[in-house]
Amino acid sequence: DGGITQSPKYLFRKEGQNVTLSCEQNLNHDAMYWYRQDPGQGLRLIYYSQIVNDFQKGDIAEGYSVSREKKESFPLTVTSAQKNPTAFYLCASSSRQGAGANVLTFGAGSRLTVL
Amino acid sequence: GDSVTQMEGPVTLSEEAFLTINCTYTATGYPSLFWYVQYPGEGLQLLLKATKADDKGSNKGFEATYRKETTSFHLEKGSVQVSDSAVYFCALSDRGTGNQFYFGTGTSLTVIP
Repeated sequence: DGGITQSPKYLFRKEGQNVTLSCEQNLNHDAMYWYRQDPGQGLRLIYYSQIVNDFQKGDIAEGYSVSREKKESFPLTVTSAQKNPTAFYLCASSSRQGAGANVLTFGAGSRLTVL
Repeated sequence: GDSVTQMEGPVTLSEEAFLTINCTYTATGYPSLFWYVQYPGEGLQLLLKATKADDKGSNKGFEATYRKETTSFHLEKGSVQVSDSAVYFCALSDRGTGNQFYFGTGTSLTVIP
């Protein structure tokens, strides 16, 4: 079945360490997104990419970095510059064409905890 | 700019009660509107959508009608079940802003037997 796979599901990090969250999709979607979810704050956009080798900052990009070397993959690195990285991270993708166009499909999420 | 405002939670209902979760939006163009549902520890799943004024989206007994005159997209269900307990997010996507998605803050629903 097609879908989005995020890994790891749970991740613990010490302060000062960079960590990378994986996001892979087999839906042949052009666009991919990273959101951060904190209790009571809904979803906030970190980065998004409409095509391979191109990405744009979202509302809260500081302290994060991404790459889009392949259509299927959009990893997110949480750097030591991110002041409060403990959160639930959601990856999503969407197509620009067809019946499912402009509908976000989400992965199951990765929960990062900084110790 | 574009935004979504939805009803504050949490909401607690008895099984078989009627559910309404209010959602209003602000958009510069002609947005598509969505309701997503999130079960504990999981990602969001699309519940229903509507792409133009007066469209009604429906799924699993849930309904929402795109009301352009009141800029609203309220979620309703006639008889909730315990399994409907989740967090519900209203969202919009606006072609006028490059198909960016905007989410409400979510409404937590708990259904008790």
